[in-house]
Amino acid sequence: QQKVQQSPESLSVPEGGMASLNCTSSDRNFQYFWWYRQHSGEGPKALMSIFSDGDKKEGRFTAHLNKASLHVSLHIRDSQPSDSALYFCAASGPGNTGKLIFGLGTTLQVQP
Amino acid sequence: NAGVIQTPRHKVTGKGQEATLWCEPISGHSAVFWYRQTIVQGLEFLTYFRNQAPIDDSGMPKERFSAQMPNQSHSTLKIQSTQPQDSAVYLCASSLDRDRYAEQFFGPGTRLTVL
Repeated sequence: QQKVQQSPESLSVPEGGMASLNCTSSDRNFQYFWWYRQHSGEGPKALMSIFSDGDKKEGRFTAHLNKASLHVSLHIRDSQPSDSALYFCAASGPGNTGKLIFGLGTTLQVQP
Repeated sequence: NAGVIQTPRHKVTGKGQEATLWCEPISGHSAVFWYRQTIVQGLEFLTYFRNQAPIDDSGMPKERFSAQMPNQSHSTLKIQSTQPQDSAVYLCASSLDRDRYAEQFFGPGTRLTVL
């Protein structure tokens, strides 16, 4: 079973709309979360990290963490066609030596 | 800053041949990670070096796979006797490694195809 699970598998939103992506960890050792984005033919690029309960906002991107339920979400407001990509949630923890455990990803399509 | 450099970008090998993949981390980064990406398994951790020393190879298949970091400017991932199931995109990442939560910067990957 994947230790980091993402939903939905794919998502389509209109340009200017809000995209909401979800991630849940099944391992309480994972306390630190990253969101990465990967465009076709490129390596993943970090969007933001979060390890405190609550919201963290960076521009059009807002991440929310609930440590009790180990649930993380990413909300993208005013979505642009350039936001179309594969989005990964990744987790790390104290015993993890820095390696990241990735979910399978959510494919976001922003329709012009 | 050129970012993490990976060569070659594409490699095709025949079953049973050897493949060597190269990674040049961002200058000044002390940590290097290798991951493998497939459609079915997603992104899987393989191995991790800090200051050229192997720290965690828990994701490496026990046979045929090996990784080295002979100097701070490059790391190699070698796969002996390649099999079709080794076909994947192999990603290298580096970080400042100030703590275990430092951002990892990924290269574009090497797409390995084993025929």
